[in-house]
Amino acid sequence: TQLLEQSPQFLSIQEGENLTVYCNSSSVFSSLQWYRQEPGEGPVLLVTVVTGGEVKKLKRLTFQFGDARKDSSLHITAAQPGDTGLYLCAGSNTNAGKSTFGDGTTLTVKP
Amino acid sequence: NAGVTQTPKFRVLKTGQSMTLLCAQDMNHEYMYWYRQDPGMGLRLIHYSVGEGTTAKGEVPDGYNVSRLKKQNFLLGLESAAPSQTSVYFCASSYSRGYRWFNEQFFGPGTRLTVL
Repeated sequence: TQLLEQSPQFLSIQEGENLTVYCNSSSVFSSLQWYRQEPGEGPVLLVTVVTGGEVKKLKRLTFQFGDARKDSSLHITAAQPGDTGLYLCAGSNTNAGKSTFGDGTTLTVKP
Repeated sequence: NAGVTQTPKFRVLKTGQSMTLLCAQDMNHEYMYWYRQDPGMGLRLIHYSVGEGTTAKGEVPDGYNVSRLKKQNFLLGLESAAPSQTSVYFCASSYSRGYRWFNEQFFGPGTRLTVL
């Protein structure tokens, strides 16, 4: 069974601070996705990373896939209250038909 | 396009009652999934389908059944509801880009189910 561990589980910061959340596994994945979920809604895809060492940027969010494709990180610069939500990572392998989800990091950004 | 829709949005059942949750997608996606999400937790896969007429068990399939008679619909059934099935249920769909499959999933808004 492939497992994804996310840390920290909870994070509460002030507006303007920077933060990094992590997604780690002992298994190799062919791709990894990050999703954000706001209260009362379904998760929304933020990014997919597929190449070891890959870095992708989405405005103030920077995503990195580990060289060995076993881990990933999400860095947010100058966090805003609108960044508040549950951040989920998910790993998948070609032809597996399904993904493995982490338990998520709940981020609260206070004004 | 509506994307992924789920009905109903809310439901309250008594222990032992049955119900069916409907998921529909209009994106012509091959893959569809049912998850449950409990407070403070991530998503746990109940059942999934890699194509019309096919289904497979996920992590927590006990007490649930599914059917995918049409490509656009994926039904989740509870034959005899139990309080442990109180949860928020999410449906999702995904697609393949030819030979590469990244499982980028599109989620519905969820169904909040309470079993008394």
